[in-house]
Amino acid sequence: EVQLLESGGGLVQPGGSLRLSCAASAFTFSSYAMTWVRQAPGKGLEWVSAVSGTGGSTYYADSVKGRFSISRDNSKNTLYLQMNSLRAEDTAVYYCAKCLGGLGWAYFDYWGQGTLVTVSS
Amino acid sequence: EIVLTQSPATLSLSPGERATLSCRASQSVSSYLAWYQQKPGQAPRLLIYDASTRATGTPARFSGSGSGTDFTLTINSLEPEDFAVYYCQQRSNWPPFTFGPGTKVDVK
Repeated sequence: EVQLLESGGGLVQPGGSLRLSCAASAFTFSSYAMTWVRQAPGKGLEWVSAVSGTGGSTYYADSVKGRFSISRDNSKNTLYLQMNSLRAEDTAVYYCAKCLGGLGWAYFDYWGQGTLVTVSS
Repeated sequence: EIVLTQSPATLSLSPGERATLSCRASQSVSSYLAWYQQKPGQAPRLLIYDASTRATGTPARFSGSGSGTDFTLTINSLEPEDFAVYYCQQRSNWPPFTFGPGTKVDVK
């Protein structure tokens, strides 16, 4: 069964950094694009970033561009999100999700359980 | 950026009734639209993609229709486990991949 397990969330001060990880299992990780989607408390879903299967192509929402960096290690079946210059408005549950195929097939068929990032002083 | 709007914001129905949820795009997304279900404290679940294709494990009472800018998710005969929030998402013009604000289906 496909599993995605996020880690790395927590409380961080404004301006701080955090790195999220997402460990994947039970599918050929390198064959699928991956994405991060976040959900602020009581709010809807917001796409954050996506990466191709090889890791060679990356995309970001304008709200995080220049501050967040997505990457993947296909030898470890792990997806990452490096978050710098964090702001209060970045507070959310962050989900990693698997795409149905490549980035041109960007529907998200498996999701992790989410990890909470709280940005507060 | 393509903006998705969903209506109504809340739909109050009883088990056994039919639910009709709407998603409208600010410009054509062809058939490149998905529907997700999210229950409290859980991650979203993909129900429908390419407007009308049921994802693996999606019950037949869920159906999607539409193309261009207007889409509908229909749930025939609501089951107790169907009361949740439903989001639409487009992959036509990206980045960004955008989601609608959601429709909450609650018990009348």
